[in-house]
Formats: sequence, structure tokens, C-alpha cells
Amino acid sequence: DTEVTQTPKHLVMGMTNKKSLKCEQHMGHRAMYWYKQKAKKPPELMFVYSYEKLSINESVPSRFSPECPNSSLLNLHLHALQPEDSALYLCASSQAGTRGYTFGSGTRLTVV
Amino acid sequence: SQQGEEDPQALSIQEGENATMNCSYKTSINNLQWYRQNSGRGLVHLILIRSNEREKHSGRLRVTLDTSKKSSSLLITASRAADTASYFCATDAGSADKLIFGTGTRLQVFP
Repeated sequence: DTEVTQTPKHLVMGMTNKKSLKCEQHMGHRAMYWYKQKAKKPPELMFVYSYEKLSINESVPSRFSPECPNSSLLNLHLHALQPEDSALYLCASSQAGTRGYTFGSGTRLTVV
Repeated sequence: SQQGEEDPQALSIQEGENATMNCSYKTSINNLQWYRQNSGRGLVHLILIRSNEREKHSGRLRVTLDTSKKSSSLLITASRAADTASYFCATDAGSADKLIFGTGTRLQVFP
């Protein structure tokens, strides 16, 4: 299995809702990442988990809460989001710094 | 934070022509990577070049790296309509787990 699987592919949520984005990889990669991408912009790093521990938080607002239940799974819990949080949320994994990242196809999030 | 800037922002060419994209970055790096993104989808890793390498090839792709100028270029030879996508350079900014993307080049290849 050489893929990163993200669910759901599309999500529409109200500003008072709580939802979760899920990411799964079975390549044995030690690091997993969340990126946020607005239209016609590059992906922006949000969180990095290394060996299931949060190693980088790029000053992301607390309404985004990451979780790594095990080495294959990465969640992003969403609560009280704003319309400006609407974006493509990408998950990625990697084994080491000398190889590229494997990205999922993303979750298209719309906050209404 | 944004590490790199790419030039041009957009590029339109005919099938069979070569496409060259340039990337400049700000800090020391361990390696530089190039990714392709088809519209609204995930990114696909194309090639990685280490800081001690100057040139690397993969199929129709050729990447160069000049660490003294903090710049890299991606050349796609004999382009095809299927190469239409956005292309991003990405650097580790000296940290193995912190991949930061450049602004990207939107490539359109007309049949």
C-alpha cells in the first residue's frame, strides 16, 4: 500500500459544528503532517507528528486540534470554525528527510 | 511561512515544447523537492535533490540546484497536455520535518 487515504473528500459544516478529518497510511512512515491550502496558494504547514508525538505546531488556532491515535492514523478535529477556514486540507506522510512526502487527495472543507 | 518564490507564476506552451520553472529560497537547506498538483487534488512528489547535488534527472524532468544563489530550476522536456498542473518547489529549511512550499507555477500545455 503506497497511498495516504483521507476522508471525507468533501465536508460542509456550520460554524457551531464539530467534525473530524481522518488520514490513514500503511507505509510505515514515521512522520505525518497536516497542511492547509487556499485556492491558488501553496500548501501551508499546520502540524507535524513524528513517532506519534506532536513535534511542530505552526501557531494554528485552537479550533483546530490534531490527534495521532497510532502510527497509521492522523485526525484533525474541527470546532467553531470560521468561513475563512474553508480550504483544502491535505495530509501527508514521510519516512525520512531524504525522501519525498506522500500526500493524500485532501478534504475540501466549506464552513458556512 | 513561505520559504520559496517561483517564477513564472504562470506558463503556457504548446505540446512538444520545453517548460522551465525557477525557484528561489531564503535559508540553508538539506534538500529541495519538486511537486506537481493537478487542479484541486493532492500533491505528487516528482524529484528530490540534495544540497550537495547540482543536477538530477528523472525521465523528462531535469532539476538543477545552485546553493550559492539559493535557486533551483525544473525543466520538463517534450511537454504533453497531461503535464498541465501546478508545480511547487519545497525546501526543508534545515529541518527534516518542516517542508515549506514555494508560491508555485501554473503550467498549461496546449495540444
